[in-house]
Amino acid sequence: DAGVIQSPRHEVTEMGQEVTLRCKPISGHDYLFWYRQTMMRGLELLIYFNNNVPIDDSGMPEDRFSAKMPNASFSTLKIQPSEPRDSAVYFCASSPTRRANYGYTFGSGTRLTVV
Amino acid sequence: AQKITQTQPGMFVQEKEAVTLDCTYDTSDQSYGLFWYKQPSSGEMIFLIYQGSYDEQNATEGRYSLNFQKARKSANLVISASQLGDSAMYFCAMREEKIQSTGNQFYFGTGTSLTVIP
Repeated sequence: DAGVIQSPRHEVTEMGQEVTLRCKPISGHDYLFWYRQTMMRGLELLIYFNNNVPIDDSGMPEDRFSAKMPNASFSTLKIQPSEPRDSAVYFCASSPTRRANYGYTFGSGTRLTVV
Repeated sequence: AQKITQTQPGMFVQEKEAVTLDCTYDTSDQSYGLFWYKQPSSGEMIFLIYQGSYDEQNATEGRYSLNFQKARKSANLVISASQLGDSAMYFCAMREEKIQSTGNQFYFGTGTSLTVIP
């Protein structure tokens, strides 16, 4: 199994541009999570999906952020327009079930820099 | 209230010594899981060890063990015989088991930065 695949690994963009981060979860995993990691705020849950349906998006910072999961094997996190304060590492993680004894498998993360 | 509390922002340990990283949690659920992840400077999140709320034995994985004290709601990570490669950020996390699909996310602590000194 290739694990959770995120792309790109690094993204540098100018303020005001649209940024799209991509994630392919592990096949068969029903849950997909998007996290943002910064020094100031640590790991923040942005949104998560169960069977492609958004369950909790209360962590999405504002309307500039949107996430979709059109099918079981692909999800996107879009920021439009991007701002310097969006600079962070964005992780995607997946889990096979809601059971508490199953952990996350994380992707390698996307390091976003907005200049 | 914080679900996961890690009170040690930074820790130092001598190579080959053991070190304990503290973690306390807050939940009213009966069924939950506790996890530790390692994040080296390269940035990836690496799963280390898991402890279930119903497990009576402390979990062990190689040099890692989890000191689970349910009544005190603590789940400390013990790393024995520290190695230079153990220098990293360590995150404690909890997942509550819910019947519904909401509330199934991990709650993470703020992390402890461990530095192993040669």
